[in-house]
Amino acid sequence: NAGVTQTPKFRVLKTGQSMTLLCAQDMNHEYMYWYRQDPGMGLRLIHYSVGEGTTAKGEVPDGYNVSRLKKQNFLLGLESAAPSQTSVYFCASSFRGSSYNEQFFGPGTRLTVL
Amino acid sequence: SQQGEEDPQALSIQEGENATMNCSYKTSINNLQWYRQNSGRGLVHLILIRSNEREKHSGRLRVTLDTSKKSSSLLITASRAADTASYFCATDPPLNDYKLSFGAGTTVTVRA
Repeated sequence: NAGVTQTPKFRVLKTGQSMTLLCAQDMNHEYMYWYRQDPGMGLRLIHYSVGEGTTAKGEVPDGYNVSRLKKQNFLLGLESAAPSQTSVYFCASSFRGSSYNEQFFGPGTRLTVL
Repeated sequence: SQQGEEDPQALSIQEGENATMNCSYKTSINNLQWYRQNSGRGLVHLILIRSNEREKHSGRLRVTLDTSKKSSSLLITASRAADTASYFCATDPPLNDYKLSFGAGTTVTVRA
């Protein structure tokens, strides 16, 4: 099992450009999450999904959109990138319906917006 | 907003020593989890302790939970160079739709 994978690993954008980050999991998990990690701030939840076809806003959703068309994939889009979106982005997944809400993380995408 | 706050922010110890870090949180919880993040990598789940548990062990890890003080501690015994990483606590408050709230982390450096 590959677990949670993310593409790309690194990306540099210019202000105003758009891009999509792809997250894939092969554990048949219902829940998927997108976080951003900034120095000294831990992880902050951007958007999450509790199942195929559903998405919801997290703590810092502005400037991002997401889609979950297939259970195994969760896409994070930046329509018009801004320097404030320079960060490391992590995708995670978890099995629904259990109080053991252990999350499995991908390796991250390091995004720089110039 | 961050539910958990780790203390200290950074910790440097000699190989073989024990490392202790603490996590304080604000609201009641279902469970509290600890994760490790090696440099440049994603987070890895270490241990979960439920709100009705007081102590839990996993290998060289010992976690305690004091719900009356809204705090938890993670002890790593007989540290190794490979334990060099950042450690995060994450809380799962009731009725939170399975969202975790992470603290800012404790960075542990184990010197050889």
